[in-house]
Amino acid sequence: GIQVEQSPPDLILQEGANSTLRCNFSDSVNNLQWFHQNPWGQLINLFYIPSGTKQNGRLSATTVATERYSLLYISSSQTTDSGVYFCAGASGGGSNYKLTFGKGTLLTVNP
Amino acid sequence: DTAVSQTPKYLVTQMGNDKSIKCEQNLGHDTMYWYKQDSKKFLKIMFSYNNKELIINETVPNRFSPKSPDKAHLNLHINSLELGDSAVYFCASSQVAGTGEAFFGQGTRLTVV
Repeated sequence: GIQVEQSPPDLILQEGANSTLRCNFSDSVNNLQWFHQNPWGQLINLFYIPSGTKQNGRLSATTVATERYSLLYISSSQTTDSGVYFCAGASGGGSNYKLTFGKGTLLTVNP
Repeated sequence: DTAVSQTPKYLVTQMGNDKSIKCEQNLGHDTMYWYKQDSKKFLKIMFSYNNKELIINETVPNRFSPKSPDKAHLNLHINSLELGDSAVYFCASSQVAGTGEAFFGQGTRLTVV
């Protein structure tokens, strides 16, 4: 079956620090998304990144599809970055398309 | 101008009751989903509908019945609610004929007492 594994499970940072979150996924995953679940529970799209590198402000992501992993970089972290970061692998073709989520990384940024 | 909206945001109800959660998307997507997030924050797909047709049903108890009146709406009806149904339910949509990128609603926190 589909496997999506995230590390680390928990991360505590001081404001201003940088961090890297990792997502490993199995062969049957053909697309990848990163989400941030904020303390209010909203799931916010960060990146849709089947391969390559994308940047959005202080966040960037890289997916190396041939090696089955993706990395999310957070630079100069702020307290508002706190929450759970999920990666989700997409599988299935056509109408069978679905996302399988990893267990998430709980990030706490302290002032 | 919310892309995927679901109501209600919070739902507290007694065991045995029947309740519904509504979801609407204005993105013009062809596929809608229901996901369940448990107390450990794990997100798992329940159902998907493509152009009003049920595609994925991930071994969900038949007390849960999704209904899609049109491709912009996907509702979730739950009969005979049990304590274990307490969770956050997320609706999502994607255009599987395009990139497939999924967008999620704000979630409905269901508490069964």
